[in-house]
Amino acid sequence: DIVMTQSPDSLAVSLGERATINCKSSQSVLYSSNNKNYLAWYQHKPGQPPKLVTYWASTRESGVSDRFSGSGSGTDFTLTINNLQAEDVAIYYCQQYYSTPYTFGQGTKLEIK
Amino acid sequence: EVQLVESGGGLVQPGGSLRLSCVASGFTFSTYWMTWVRQAPGKGLEWVANIQQFGSEEYYVDSVKGRFTISRDNAKNTLYLQMNSLRAEDTAIYYCAREKGNGGNSHWGQGTLVTVSS
Repeated sequence: DIVMTQSPDSLAVSLGERATINCKSSQSVLYSSNNKNYLAWYQHKPGQPPKLVTYWASTRESGVSDRFSGSGSGTDFTLTINNLQAEDVAIYYCQQYYSTPYTFGQGTKLEIK
Repeated sequence: EVQLVESGGGLVQPGGSLRLSCVASGFTFSTYWMTWVRQAPGKGLEWVANIQQFGSEEYYVDSVKGRFTISRDNAKNTLYLQMNSLRAEDTAIYYCAREKGNGGNSHWGQGTLVTVSS
């Protein structure tokens, strides 16, 4: 199974500042035939289902604020949230869908400083 | 509007069985892979299983293989998760989700709570 490791486990960022969350996979999730990274990011707030933020590592899901951006390739990925807003407080998860089981990272809790 | 509504959760004793259902609406159910994801209390998300559009392929996380069975009835727009030989560690909120054709799970239900306890 592919192991997904996120860092940090938690972070506190001031309103209006930038938050950066990292995700590392134990093996590459880049599919050579189409040059796509099989990596998604989710936002999960208490009492709500998870919400897809980005897929293919860097494609923003429809309706997601452009303050959110994903980057990276192969085994190392980053979710960046610019101009942090109060509504961004959540736990963020990366997930690989390169091979089953489609494993998640352990989550990163984002709070306001 | 895409909607996924889970049901069937509840309290069950260790070793017992439960069948979860997820009724889908607002999209052509038979054209999407579907997934079950769970979250144990105080823990992160865990992918459980998924199933191909017509049920010809199913995949499971190792911890549920041989105990859980994912299935679907496209005529009823319903996804199922049959859970047998339940253990305390299966206690979780179970979400059904629709896989996005391009990757990831784009739509989720609100979840149903399964509690395994004596």
